[in-house]
Amino acid sequence: AQSVSQHNHHVILSEAASLELGCNYSYGGTVNLFWYVQYPGQHLQLLLKYFSGDPLVKGIKGFEAEFIKSKFSFNLRKPSVQWSDTAEYFCAVTPGGTYKYIFGTGTRLKVLA
Amino acid sequence: DTEVTQTPKHLVMGMTNKKSLKCEQHMGHRAMYWYKQKAKKPPELMFVYSYEKLSINESVPSRFSPECPNSSLLNLHLHALQPEDSALYLCASSPVGPPGNTIYFGEGSWLTVV
Repeated sequence: AQSVSQHNHHVILSEAASLELGCNYSYGGTVNLFWYVQYPGQHLQLLLKYFSGDPLVKGIKGFEAEFIKSKFSFNLRKPSVQWSDTAEYFCAVTPGGTYKYIFGTGTRLKVLA
Repeated sequence: DTEVTQTPKHLVMGMTNKKSLKCEQHMGHRAMYWYKQKAKKPPELMFVYSYEKLSINESVPSRFSPECPNSSLLNLHLHALQPEDSALYLCASSPVGPPGNTIYFGEGSWLTVV
């Protein structure tokens, strides 16, 4: 079955630390990849997405992600986190260009001021 | 602010009640979704409508009945729910067309079944 794995369930960082959140998916065909963020008490918002082209994708708020096809990975990075980045981060995949978005289990990030 | 509006924000219902969740978007999107999200879990797809027709039903129990009366509205009718159905119900929409379309979420309706 198609699935998305986020291995880091909880991450605690100090401000200015670098961030990398892992995301791996299991699907052998074409995929579209997304990272969504959910700030406390708010709705899910798109951070960035990849569907073709440059595998290094830049999103909002200084986030970027790299698609590595051979590793079935789409890891999220930010060079220097801020307290306001405290949120839950979800990786999502749509296999084969379908509308069936499959979400990972999420990573709760807490940034200490 | 999200452009997908969901009402009510909170709903408490008994197991014998009939209630509905409503969702509206005015972005011209022709794909609309219902997701269920339990605490500390990812959203789980329930239904997808494409051009007002049900295109995906993820084996959801019949006590949940979706309806898409027009291209802007999506309802979820609830009847004879169980306490384990208590969750955040998220509506979302996206354009229909080439892959890579972003899905836009509403703020959700918190449902408690007592």
